[in-house]
Amino acid sequence: GQQVMQIPQYQHVQEGEDFTTYCNSSTTLSNIQWYKQRPGGHPVFLIQLVKSGEVKKQKRLTFQFGEAKKNSSLHITATQTTDVGTYFCAGFSDNYGQNFVFGPGTRLSVLP
Amino acid sequence: DAMVIQNPRYQVTQFGKPVTLSCSQTLNHNVMYWYQQKSSQAPKLLFHYYDKDFNNEADTPDNFQSRRPNTSFCFLDIRSPGLGDAAMYLCATSSSFVGNTEAFFGQGTRLTVV
Repeated sequence: GQQVMQIPQYQHVQEGEDFTTYCNSSTTLSNIQWYKQRPGGHPVFLIQLVKSGEVKKQKRLTFQFGEAKKNSSLHITATQTTDVGTYFCAGFSDNYGQNFVFGPGTRLSVLP
Repeated sequence: DAMVIQNPRYQVTQFGKPVTLSCSQTLNHNVMYWYQQKSSQAPKLLFHYYDKDFNNEADTPDNFQSRRPNTSFCFLDIRSPGLGDAAMYLCATSSSFVGNTEAFFGQGTRLTVV
């Protein structure tokens, strides 16, 4: 079954609205990474979270790692059309064979 | 400057005709990965190299092979492409295998099987 899950699968927002995507792992993670893939593009690294309960911010993006290190979230404040794309979390765990396992992604559309 | 370069960007091959996709990197990273990404899905790891050590994912079909002749280059060989192998193939590198460094992805090769 799916080891790393993300919800929602799709999200349509009006420009200026906030957006959140949630990532859940079936096992405790050593760390988690977030990537953004623009339509027709390739995944681009955004951030890595390592510590339990860690919160990191990049301008309008806020990333959080759960206390149990099994879930994470990405929140975008006041979305812009440049935020359009698919956001993937990728979890790293010894239980995943020492590799990152990507979640299915959340595709964000921003209506101007 | 591009750091992970994949060639070609688009590849059309005939059903059953062997095809090779290439990846090169200027980052001198130890680890190189090949992912398969189908439309609207997550990248799926096929295999990776740590230096010359090859690691195959358990569910990667035998139809997929890889070569890494040196640090800079890595190839994906599909021996007998089927229609189900049509996908974007992404090469990525990272400096470490311990899971605490980011992966740098190439632009991908979109494979069409006719």
